[in-house]
Amino acid sequence: DTGVSQNPRHKITKRGQNVTFRCDPISEHNRLYWYRQTLGQGPEFLTYFQNEAQLEKSRLLSDRFSAERPKGSFSTLEIQRTEQGDSAMYLCASSRDSRRQYNEQFFGPGTRLTVL
Amino acid sequence: GIQVEQSPPDLILQEGANSTLRCNFSDSVNNLQWFHQNPWGQLINLFYIPSGTKQNGRLSATTVATERYSLLYISSSQTTDSGVYFCAARRYNFNKFYFGSGTKLNVKP
Repeated sequence: DTGVSQNPRHKITKRGQNVTFRCDPISEHNRLYWYRQTLGQGPEFLTYFQNEAQLEKSRLLSDRFSAERPKGSFSTLEIQRTEQGDSAMYLCASSRDSRRQYNEQFFGPGTRLTVL
Repeated sequence: GIQVEQSPPDLILQEGANSTLRCNFSDSVNNLQWFHQNPWGQLINLFYIPSGTKQNGRLSATTVATERYSLLYISSSQTTDSGVYFCAARRYNFNKFYFGSGTKLNVKP
């Protein structure tokens, strides 16, 4: 079990640029979640996938945000036309299928985005 | 959704002291977790505890689901316990997890 990995760990970009983050979940975890965390706050849910299907999106996820999970393995989160308000830590988590009684989330180290 | 409230928001302890952190949630949940966020932002799993009591070394947790709260106990605190502690909850048959705003713990030597 190698844990959840995220790349890059840090990203600095200029306003208006597009950025893409990657998350590799724990192998055999069906569910994958994206969260955003700003300074002094708890993580806020953005979206989640069960296998390759994106089953729920938060209203926080504007049209500039898109997430994919091709083949139900790794996931990408893209932000187009970044704004300074997008600066945050983006966290990815994975868990087993929730139909099982035991459904613990495990988090990656996060990608810290700074928009100048 | 559900409201998750944590208290206290800030806590300063002398090394060796004990503490209790509280997490209240506004609806029935079937998934509750406690995390410790280290200074680099990594969320470390402490407990998966939708109900009952668990212990792991100096840490223990209790969730009373019928009364909608969970407690995290830290005994004989150490400076390495410093950081932010979060609880996160999810309702049965729902997908979203809701986090509290955290308790920031500072353990002084």
